[in-house]
Amino acid sequence: GESVGLHLPTLSVQEGDNSIINCAYSNSASDYFIWYKQESGKGPQFIIDIRSNMDKRQGQRVTVLLNKTVKHLSLQIAATQPGDSAVYFCAENRRSGYSTLTFGKGTMLLVSP
Amino acid sequence: DAGITQSPRHKVTETGTPVTLRCHQTENHRYMYWYRQDPGHGLRLIHYSYGVKDTDKGEVSDGYSVSRSKTEDFLLTLESATSSQTSVYFCAISEGQPNEKLFFGSGTQLSVL
Repeated sequence: GESVGLHLPTLSVQEGDNSIINCAYSNSASDYFIWYKQESGKGPQFIIDIRSNMDKRQGQRVTVLLNKTVKHLSLQIAATQPGDSAVYFCAENRRSGYSTLTFGKGTMLLVSP
Repeated sequence: DAGITQSPRHKVTETGTPVTLRCHQTENHRYMYWYRQDPGHGLRLIHYSYGVKDTDKGEVSDGYSVSRSKTEDFLLTLESATSSQTSVYFCAISEGQPNEKLFFGSGTQLSVL
């Protein structure tokens, strides 16, 4: 899940495992969500997005699941590789009069060979 | 990084000096954004632009101004830099709907001493 302080929650997995990174969002009016990957010293990299009229969306080795009932978003990475090691964070687009994209603080994924 | 160039990549400056960061895109995308990234926080929006000469404030705009005289360039200016503005600054671009599928530059590490 998302972090509260300076230390990010960390998920450690073995190469080849499937990884699941979770994100809780706060606003039931949010209707669009994005997952980003950020490697050290680099800018955030777009992974996948999903609208609230969908429960699931798949990309290459990644799947995003959206549970609007409990306001929960997850990113599943299949056959995790060392190159997947990075910080992953979600963002929600809250449309309450105007559009505002709010980013979470992220989860660190560490993949061991 | 999706045709986005940020300059400079690193800058050290003194309190009270003006600083301008530049974002240049080759994608001809309509929307451009400036974010800052700090430990313990998600990305926070400083200013954004919906087109040439069309800019508006974000969540943390105090002490910052922007200009967009051409589609491809979005400038962020710190009129009188303060130590609290030490941060990593990211420019992002998007097309289609605002605040959807943002692509980020590599960032500028700014230190204000």
